[in-house]
Amino acid sequence: QKEVEQDPGPLSVPEGAIVSLNCTYSNSAFQYFMWYRQYSRKGPELLMYTYSSGNKEDGRFTAQVDKSSKYISLFIRDSQPSDSATYLCAMKRPLNNFNKFYFGSGTKLNVKP
Amino acid sequence: ETGVTQSPTHLIKTRGQQVTLRCSSQSGHNTVSWYQQALGQGPQFIFQYYREEENGRGNFPPRFSGLQFPNYSSELNVNALELDDSALYLCASSGTYNEQFFGPGTRLTVL
Repeated sequence: QKEVEQDPGPLSVPEGAIVSLNCTYSNSAFQYFMWYRQYSRKGPELLMYTYSSGNKEDGRFTAQVDKSSKYISLFIRDSQPSDSATYLCAMKRPLNNFNKFYFGSGTKLNVKP
Repeated sequence: ETGVTQSPTHLIKTRGQQVTLRCSSQSGHNTVSWYQQALGQGPQFIFQYYREEENGRGNFPPRFSGLQFPNYSSELNVNALELDDSALYLCASSGTYNEQFFGPGTRLTVL
């Protein structure tokens, strides 16, 4: 069993839709959670970073962490064609000076004009 | 403030050869991590360098090795290349230990 599971999609939505992306994980020691956006043949770009449980909002993006269910989500409001990319969740344990991130396999999102 | 840069952008090698990939970390960041991303997969952690020392390694064989220099730039070396080494190699730097910023990657093709 992989430590981080993510539905690969593809997920296709019309412009303006609310998008929900999710990951589940098995290691209860994970405390830091990130969402990255990756365009084709480019490096991942950090979108959201949250610590422990709770919600965090940044513009059209909202990240949620439910540690009791080992489940994290990223919501995109008013989706745009420019949001079309692969979204990767990542997480790590709270070890100082050690940044091993565990990634999901990514969900490919297509926002249709 | 400059971001993470990597070179070269693309590289084609044949099986058995050796390759060196380079990374310059973001200004002020003293930790560099390397990841391998196969097509359609998430990045897999190779190893991390902190203050010029390797301080963590993923499930990769010893033919994957690296260096970090006093200016915190880094190299990834892969010996005896295999076909399965074909992937996007990503370098990430961090300064607060919790966030990582990735470079654009080097796409390696092994024939």
